[in-house]
Amino acid sequence: GQNIDQPTEMTATEGAIVQINCTYQTSGFNGLFWYQQHAGEAPTFLSYNVLDGLEEKGRFSSFLSRSKGYSYLLLKELQMKDSASYLCAVRSYAGNNRKLIWGLGTSLAVNP
Amino acid sequence: ETGVTQTPRHLVMGMTNKKSLKCEQHLGHNAMYWYKQSAKKPLELMFVYSLEERVENNSVPSRFSPECPNSSHLFLHLHTLQPEDSALYLCASSQAFRQGDSYEQYFGPGTRLTVT
Repeated sequence: GQNIDQPTEMTATEGAIVQINCTYQTSGFNGLFWYQQHAGEAPTFLSYNVLDGLEEKGRFSSFLSRSKGYSYLLLKELQMKDSASYLCAVRSYAGNNRKLIWGLGTSLAVNP
Repeated sequence: ETGVTQTPRHLVMGMTNKKSLKCEQHLGHNAMYWYKQSAKKPLELMFVYSLEERVENNSVPSRFSPECPNSSHLFLHLHTLQPEDSALYLCASSQAFRQGDSYEQYFGPGTRLTVT
């Protein structure tokens, strides 16, 4: 089957660093996405990894290891506004189509 | 301001009603998606239209009926819904360079649907 695992909840302190892990088992792999979703709002695209390694984008970085079926999202210099749900999604294959398989999301609470 | 808009933002309907959700994207994309988001469940992909053809229908009950008149507009027609259909319905769009392809998706704000 196809499966994505993320921790359900995490807490961190303002100014700190937090790492949100995502492991996946899918039939084929063609890229991994991270999205941020604030309560009551739409998910917004954060990052995309298709090759192994680290992609850095300001305070956010995302890492991928395809051999381990593993990714993480690293958030530095945490701010209160980073309190949100972080969704991991893997682009997999279904016949000739590529589809996104979504995780349940990790709810991050940033405390002062 | 999001490039994907959805109306209405909130909808309460009885089980015998018929209503429609509307989505419009202003990003020049050519693929559009309907998702259902329920508490404690991952995002569920309902329908995909890519290059103006429906390429995916994930075993969605027939009480949900999509319509995509052009690459910028997407509708979800609802009739005789059940209380368990209450959820957040999200529309998304992306670029697709061939049928069945999918790049990063941009989401609308969603319609919070309550079925009474």
